[in-house]
Amino acid sequence: SQQGEEDPQALSIQEGENATMNCSYKTSINNLQWYRQNSGRGLVHLILIRSNEREKHSGRLRVTLDTSKKSSSLLITASRAADTASYFCATDVGYGQNFVFGPGTRLSVLP
Amino acid sequence: GAGVSQSPSNKVTEKGKDVELRCDPISGHTALYWYRQSLGQGLEFLIYFQGNSAPDKSGLPSDRFSAERTGGSVSTLTIQRTQQEDSAVYLCASSDTEGFSPLHFGNGTRLTVT
Repeated sequence: SQQGEEDPQALSIQEGENATMNCSYKTSINNLQWYRQNSGRGLVHLILIRSNEREKHSGRLRVTLDTSKKSSSLLITASRAADTASYFCATDVGYGQNFVFGPGTRLSVLP
Repeated sequence: GAGVSQSPSNKVTEKGKDVELRCDPISGHTALYWYRQSLGQGLEFLIYFQGNSAPDKSGLPSDRFSAERTGGSVSTLTIQRTQQEDSAVYLCASSDTEGFSPLHFGNGTRLTVT
């Protein structure tokens, strides 16, 4: 079973709207990361939040982490057509261990 | 600087043939990961190398899959006697495990088994 699972599986919004994606995981983590993937090829790292952090910002991105609920959310504000991509959360199950990715959320931003 | 490089970018092979996929990580990165992604799906962990430690092979789907990392740098993923269900994009990533570091991905190898 997946360590991390994103929700929703797919999201379609209009340009300018905000997009929120959620990630739930099962075991304790050291950190949680969000990645973006365009066109089914390489993933690009967006933001990393450590287990002792609750919120982090980077440009139009805002990530929250609730370790009591084992969940995280990624908010993209003022979305653009160029934000259309798949977004994945990844958790590390222990320092020096491998990263486990969820199935992703496919975001479509319509012009 | 140079990112993670994977070759070939596309590979078409006949069922039953062996294939080798190559990954050149970012220089100095001690950790190297292989993932597999089927069309429209998430990433499936295959294998993880960390420095000189024994690799974590827990994600390899069968004994037809193997990987090595020579000199702590370049890695090769080998699939023997390929099957049609092996068709996927194979992604390699590396990271600097000093502290909490993100993964840097290559653009992947798209493998098609006919």
